Amino acid sequence: SQQGEEDPQALSIQEGENATMNCSYKTSINNLQWYRQNSGRGLVHLILIRSNEREKHSGRLRVTLDTSKKSSSLLITASRAADTASYFCATDSQGGSEKLVFGKGTKLTVNP
Amino acid sequence: GAGVSQTPSNKVTEKGKYVELRCDPISGHTALYWYRQSLGQGPEFLIYFQGTGAADDSGLPNDRFFAVRPEGSVSTLKIQRTERGDSAVYLCASSPGALGREEAFFGQGTRLTVV
Repeated sequence: SQQGEEDPQALSIQEGENATMNCSYKTSINNLQWYRQNSGRGLVHLILIRSNEREKHSGRLRVTLDTSKKSSSLLITASRAADTASYFCATDSQGGSEKLVFGKGTKLTVNP
Repeated sequence: GAGVSQTPSNKVTEKGKYVELRCDPISGHTALYWYRQSLGQGPEFLIYFQGTGAADDSGLPNDRFFAVRPEGSVSTLKIQRTERGDSAVYLCASSPGALGREEAFFGQGTRLTVV
């Protein structure tokens, strides 16, 4: 079963615009991570946010976490065509196994 | 090597055959994970090793699937009596510690096609 659900499933924007993707999850967590995947192969880690953090930045990426709503958002500012990829959120489960459970992802297309 | 290596990158097999998929994690990483990903879906957890032992194998779909990591490094995912529904990309990831708490490093995956 998949813990996280990303929204929207697909997003198409123009280069230079901002892209926002959302993730909702079901159980209490210790950490939430965002990953990027090109062409359906290896995933690349983008950012990890801990349950006691509310916001984190990395370059053009901004991640927020609202544990009361069990949701997170990933904002990519000033998007580029090279940002075109699928983006996944992944969570562990507080008190449970240390496995990481992924959502179904958001497919982002940035048009030049 | 610099990253997680998975071999083969592609595997085509006939229904009913046995296959082995190999994962070489980053040296020194104690945690190793196998995931399966179907088209348009997120990675689905299969099994997690901490060292040589399987800490959580709750994601293995049935007893045709088995994985080992005998020396705490290389891992092999074994699938017996393959079925067409087993066709997917099989991803391996390693991490210095518990995956939920640390960044995971993924291999490029093995695309398995059962015909």
